[in-house]
This record gives sequence, structure tokens and C-alpha cells, in this order.
Amino acid sequence: AQKITQTQPGMFVQEKEAVTLDCTYDTSDPSYGLFWYKQPSSGEMIFLIYQGSYDQQNATEGRYSLNFQKARKSANLVISASQLGDSAMYFCAMREAYSSASKIIFGSGTRLSIRP
Amino acid sequence: DSGVTQTPKHLITATGQRVTLRCSPRSGDLSVYWYQQSLDQGLQFLIHYYNGEERAKGNILERFSAQQFPDLHSELNLSSLELGDSALYFCASSRNRDVPDTQYFGPGTRLTVL
Repeated sequence: AQKITQTQPGMFVQEKEAVTLDCTYDTSDPSYGLFWYKQPSSGEMIFLIYQGSYDQQNATEGRYSLNFQKARKSANLVISASQLGDSAMYFCAMREAYSSASKIIFGSGTRLSIRP
Repeated sequence: DSGVTQTPKHLITATGQRVTLRCSPRSGDLSVYWYQQSLDQGLQFLIHYYNGEERAKGNILERFSAQQFPDLHSELNLSSLELGDSALYFCASSRNRDVPDTQYFGPGTRLTVL
């Protein structure tokens, strides 16, 4: 069964430092997508980055990069040069291609707080 | 701005009542998804529509129903509301039907049942 695990309920990071948010997943589907979403205190769910299971290179989007280690079933989000506006809840998520293509399964989230 | 719109932003109602949440997908997206986010259950998938047809159901209660109209907007109907239905309800949309492409979320409707 598909599952997403985020083991860090909360993190504090100094502004301008890099931060890594951990995510592991479990699936038996050979084709899947991995996502990271940001949810600020205002509540909206903002898409950050996507990694396909067959992608050879790690995805990058500006200050966000996804450290994809397929054999370890790991999809950590790296935020470089953190900013105060990065303070939010971050969700790792997965969507399978075949068995349940409709839904995204979300992890429990990591609350990131950036210190000035 | 994801391009997905949801109305209303906030909704306060009483137990036993019925409400309708509305969603308009991004331009060109044919798939619409509904999710519920509550403190105790996290983010839960409710239902998926593609081009007007129901594609998949998740943890959706029988008191809840949804539909997608010919113009692709979708409505989620919640009836016989209970205190436990208080949550943030998200609509998301994507381009395709059965591939794991990105789902873009709307701003959500915060439902409070008193």
C-alpha cells in the first residue's frame, strides 16, 4: 500500500541557511510522481516541485531541489538560502500511475520555522 | 495564484444543514479533485471527476456528493452536517486523467459547523 512518511514534525532554521526536509515513501507501482507542497498559515496549498519516478535527474525549481534516491525510496526537499517567508507547513506527497492514479497521498507534514 | 478558484472562502453553518462548495479548475484542466483537511485526519482524498464523469472515490461520506458540470466547474455538496465535518476543503485540478501529473490546489473553503 502506498504510504508517505515525514519524520520531522517541526524544524527551526536560521535565515539564509539551507534546510533539508525528509520524506520516505512506499509503493509497489513502478510509475509514480512525488510532490512537495507548501502550506503557509493562510491555508492555501502551494505546489513547489515534482519528481517523476523515471526521471534520471533530480528536480530543481529555483531555491527548491528534490534529492531523489529511488533505491532508498527517499525524496527529500532541499531549500537553499532560507528566507523568513519559507516559514510554513511542508507536505511530501505521492501519486501512483496505475493502481490509484486519482488521489495524492500526503505525509503528515513538517512545520518549518525560519529564525531571523 | 494556482489558477484554481474556490468559493466561498469561509462558511459557518449549523449542524444538520446542507452547504455547497464550488470550484473552477485551471484553464484547460479536465480533472477536478476534492480533498478534506482536518486536524485529526490530515489531508484526505474525497473524489475525482474527469470531464464530467466520476473517476474515483476516496474517503467520502454518503452524506457528501459532488458533480462536475459541462463547463468543468465542480460542486461538493455536504448535507446533514455534523460538528466533525468542520475542516478545510480543497479543490485541485490537473490536465490529465490517469497519469501522475501535478495537481494544483485552490485556496480552500474553511467550513465551520456549530
